[in-house]
Amino acid sequence: TQLLEQSPQFLSIQEGENLTVYCNSSSVFSSLQWYRQEPGEGPVLLVTVVTGGEVKKLKRLTFQFGDARKDSSLHITAAQPGDTGLYLCAGARSEKLVFGKGTKLTVNP
Amino acid sequence: EAGVTQSPTHLIKTRGQQATLRCSPISGHTSVYWYQQALGLGLQFLLWYDEGEERNRGNFPPRFSGRQFPNYSSELNVNALELEDSALYLCASSWGAGVDSPLHFGNGTRLTVT
Repeated sequence: TQLLEQSPQFLSIQEGENLTVYCNSSSVFSSLQWYRQEPGEGPVLLVTVVTGGEVKKLKRLTFQFGDARKDSSLHITAAQPGDTGLYLCAGARSEKLVFGKGTKLTVNP
Repeated sequence: EAGVTQSPTHLIKTRGQQATLRCSPISGHTSVYWYQQALGLGLQFLLWYDEGEERNRGNFPPRFSGRQFPNYSSELNVNALELEDSALYLCASSWGAGVDSPLHFGNGTRLTVT
């Protein structure tokens, strides 16, 4: 059983569209991190959310941590081809950082 | 500042052999983490070292082992390689010992077992 479920698994959209990806769990996390991984590279941290209900913005990316600290979402406005990549969420629990399987996003020009 | 470096970038081994993967953390980072990224399985936590000590390990058999050296670099050893060990092995470092500390990843070692 995956501790962190990400949806959708795959998403292919056109440049300029908006999208939301989700990270859900039945467990409470002290914090949740979002990473983006491009082919041939390691994941790169985008943001850390700590407080339930917290919203953080990074240019066209908006991250939200659920009130109960069990889930999170990432919304991208006006997606660009440079946003293409694997988006991973990770939650801290039991002295380890556990990752979801990721959402593979493709933004077509 | 130099990022996390891993070597080699690619490694090809045959079943039953042993593999050694190496990782140099960002200067000043004392914690090193190892993850396995196999196709379709996502990142699976392997090992966490901090200040030379193993702090936690994931649900992997004992043939996966490692160590952290006094300069905080680390190596991962995989004995008696099996075909399903083929994966990208990612090393990450952080400045803090807590699991809430953001991780800085290297670009991984691609291990292929034939």
